[in-house]
Amino acid sequence: DQQVKQNSPSLSVQEGRISILNCDYTNSMFDYFLWYKKYPAEGPTFLISISSIKDKNEDGRFTVFLNKSAKHLSLHIVPSQPGDSAVYFCAASSLGAGSYQLTFGKGTKLSVIP
Amino acid sequence: DSGVTQTPKHLITATGQRVTLRCSPRSGDLSVYWYQQSLDQGLQFLIQYYNGEERAKGNILERFSAQQFPDLHSELNLSSLELGDSALYFCASSVASRGDTQYFGPGTRLTVL
Repeated sequence: DQQVKQNSPSLSVQEGRISILNCDYTNSMFDYFLWYKKYPAEGPTFLISISSIKDKNEDGRFTVFLNKSAKHLSLHIVPSQPGDSAVYFCAASSLGAGSYQLTFGKGTKLSVIP
Repeated sequence: DSGVTQTPKHLITATGQRVTLRCSPRSGDLSVYWYQQSLDQGLQFLIQYYNGEERAKGNILERFSAQQFPDLHSELNLSSLELGDSALYFCASSVASRGDTQYFGPGTRLTVL
């Protein structure tokens, strides 16, 4: 039973355009969400997070939106750059329930075309 | 560079053997987490330690065990290895026990032949 789903295994975007990566979750106890970027042969790199008390968090070119009623979050990258090409993982935890481990989606491979 | 180090980078061994993976957390981080990434299962949480004590367990097999030492480094022991244990094993660390942002090491790729 996948509690965090990334339904698009891959996404191709032109350089300079917006990349939108989506993530859905089923566990209503999740209250803290993170996005990680992963290059081959490296560990996941933290990008941005959002608490369930917010609906938006921005950091430079990266913005995460959270829609709690739809149990949906998205990562926007504007403008997209070739160096953004990587696998992006959505992750969630239930801090309020004392559950600190991250539950990950299976990832979306983003390709930014020059 | 996340500041989390893992050794070895690669490990090749045979079925039935036992191996130890090592992780050093970022300076100042008290929590260490272990995750397994296999082709079909994605990243799965195994176990968490906080300041030397086990805090949470996930999908960790009984053949696997871990510990965190007084200097806060952690070791993951995998025994009676099976072909299906071949995977990437990641360690992550965070400051506190309450699940703030976790920073990942580069991983250990285990191949069981």
